[in-house]
Amino acid sequence: DAKTTQPPSMDCAEGRAANLPCNHSTISGNEYVYWYRQIHSQGPQYIIHGLKNNETNEMASLIITEDRKSSTLILPHATLRDTAVYYCIVRVANFGNEKLTFGTGTRLTIIP
Amino acid sequence: EAQVTQNPRYLITVTGKKLTVTCSQNMNHEYMSWYRQDPGLGLRQIYYSMNVEVTDKGDVPEGYKVSRKEKRNFPLILESPSPNQTSLYFCASSTMTTHTGDQYFGPGTRLLVL
Repeated sequence: DAKTTQPPSMDCAEGRAANLPCNHSTISGNEYVYWYRQIHSQGPQYIIHGLKNNETNEMASLIITEDRKSSTLILPHATLRDTAVYYCIVRVANFGNEKLTFGTGTRLTIIP
Repeated sequence: EAQVTQNPRYLITVTGKKLTVTCSQNMNHEYMSWYRQDPGLGLRQIYYSMNVEVTDKGDVPEGYKVSRKEKRNFPLILESPSPNQTSLYFCASSTMTTHTGDQYFGPGTRLLVL
């Protein structure tokens, strides 16, 4: 699985959009970009994933650049409950071991 | 409500005393997995299972056993716990019939081995 690089920490004002970047310059054609978050020692929570098109669900939007070497997770209206560590993961979609390899992630703090 | 449950949530034990951490999911998922999380090391996979009676080692299987006799349950067994198994443990599950991407995690079990 390709390696990802994320800033270690970010702050965002409550009510604003939080934009979390992720670099994955060695991503290959069959690898997806996944985002998970972990709120203080709770179980990680799936947010969204995509291959090359932008994706949106009830939690967030995922913007993937045309060359697929980077992506941005957008939380449109951040709340205090969005304070968490956010992990960007790149992996092949297959039906074998669904192992997730979490890096160090970005610690997002929402400021009241 | 779709969920993965783990028991116990917190456990303090002594070296060598066998213990089992249970994991159960109510989503009829084929795939289940155990991870441990340690400061500075991230989440590391211990064992996984792609279906009933099918289990395989992850990255750090030493000192652990698992079984998958029923689809919904995937217990983690520590036959002779040691202090280096003090950690936060997570069970996870996902479907394998379609690749939706979402893996569900349990709330975690915090284990202290003295």
